[in-house]
Amino acid sequence: GIQVEQSPPDLILQEGANSTLRCNFSDSVNNLQWFHQNPWGQLINLFYIPSGTKQNGRLSATTVATERYSLLYISSSQTTDSGVYFCAVEQGGSEKLVFGKGTKLTVNP
Amino acid sequence: SQTIHQWPATLVQPVGSPLSLECTVEGTSNPNLYWYRQAAGRGLQLLFYSVGIGQISSEVPQNLSASRPQDRQFILSSKKLLLSDSGFYLCAWNLAGHGANVLTFGAGSRLTVL
Repeated sequence: GIQVEQSPPDLILQEGANSTLRCNFSDSVNNLQWFHQNPWGQLINLFYIPSGTKQNGRLSATTVATERYSLLYISSSQTTDSGVYFCAVEQGGSEKLVFGKGTKLTVNP
Repeated sequence: SQTIHQWPATLVQPVGSPLSLECTVEGTSNPNLYWYRQAAGRGLQLLFYSVGIGQISSEVPQNLSASRPQDRQFILSSKKLLLSDSGFYLCAWNLAGHGANVLTFGAGSRLTVL
């Protein structure tokens, strides 16, 4: 099956810093999503981005489907950005998302 | 608007006891439904998914089973729990065939098997 690799596995930032999280995948996909899991376990969808670039406030994401990677940018980080960020992909017709192992982000005040 | 509910939120069960976790979606019809497990170490593993009533696909052989008795109800069960069944169980839904097939998760059920 498709492999999803996220890097770095852990990231510690000071409040106000910027960061880039990466997601590599091993085969072509028709669906890619980024999620944030807060410290209480709730998973929230950040972006649906099978290709191209999207922005939502301080967060933006870019997927280069032909090169099989996606990037999540966090600017001016805040302590509330802490948690685990997951990338998940779906291959055509499979009806299921495969998750990477996540990047654990800690933002210190 | 659509909502997804999971219960119970927390469960402590002895080894060998049965399990039933329930997930219900409101405000939509014919959703795809999913059960994921998140063990220590963060990764989410897909356990089961369903594209319709009575249609269950299992992703990994295990001690668990799933059922979909109604369109918007998805149940995760076990007849006899193992220690290795401990973890955080997440139910999710999306709509098949739509342009933005966004996956929405419930709040999760944390299971500890002792």
